[in-house]
Amino acid sequence: KNQVEQSPQSLIILEGKNCTLQCNYTVSPFSNLRWYKQDTGRGPVSLTIMTFSENTKSNGRYTATLDADTKQSSLHITASQLSDSASYICVVNLYSSASKIIFGSGTRLSIRP
Amino acid sequence: SAVISQKPSRDICQRGTSLTIQCQVDSQVTMMFWYRQQPGQSLTLIATANQGSEATYESGFVIDKFPISRPNLTFSTLTVSNMSPEDSSIYLCSVVVQANTGELFFGEGSRLTVL
Repeated sequence: KNQVEQSPQSLIILEGKNCTLQCNYTVSPFSNLRWYKQDTGRGPVSLTIMTFSENTKSNGRYTATLDADTKQSSLHITASQLSDSASYICVVNLYSSASKIIFGSGTRLSIRP
Repeated sequence: SAVISQKPSRDICQRGTSLTIQCQVDSQVTMMFWYRQQPGQSLTLIATANQGSEATYESGFVIDKFPISRPNLTFSTLTVSNMSPEDSSIYLCSVVVQANTGELFFGEGSRLTVL
């Protein structure tokens, strides 16, 4: 069964600290993996996309990694800011088709001053 | 990218009534979708809105409950019919601009509360 599991479910850290969010998937065949950020009351916004052959991709203070062998991805946030408080959703595409997308349940990140 | 406007942004409705949510995109897009996000849950695809033909519904969703219109390549509506408290969710319109990347762009969502 195609599944995307994220951990932790929620996380609270102090402003300025780093954190890492995890994503394990059993989706096959795999096309690409995205991390989305969803602010409260807003729609999700894409942070990074990674294909099968990519190991690391950065977007400012966000760095995503992918291990296609173990089917794991992580999102590392450096020097967290209050504006990083949001849900982070791991999304896996099967065929680069939007109708074949599996969403993780998300990690709720709270940054405290 | 795409700018997607949804209306209403939120509403409180009575059981048994229906509500229509509108989605307007600032450019012509081929692929448009409607998602539901229940409280504390992940996003679930309701249907693909097809321009000029009936929408394609995912398992567990039916046209009588969630009728969808797509009169052109920039606009779609989703109606939640005969609502019950279990329909309380955020409903999100989404589009794919470039099929080769498959990146989804989302509207701000419509938060629906059914009493």
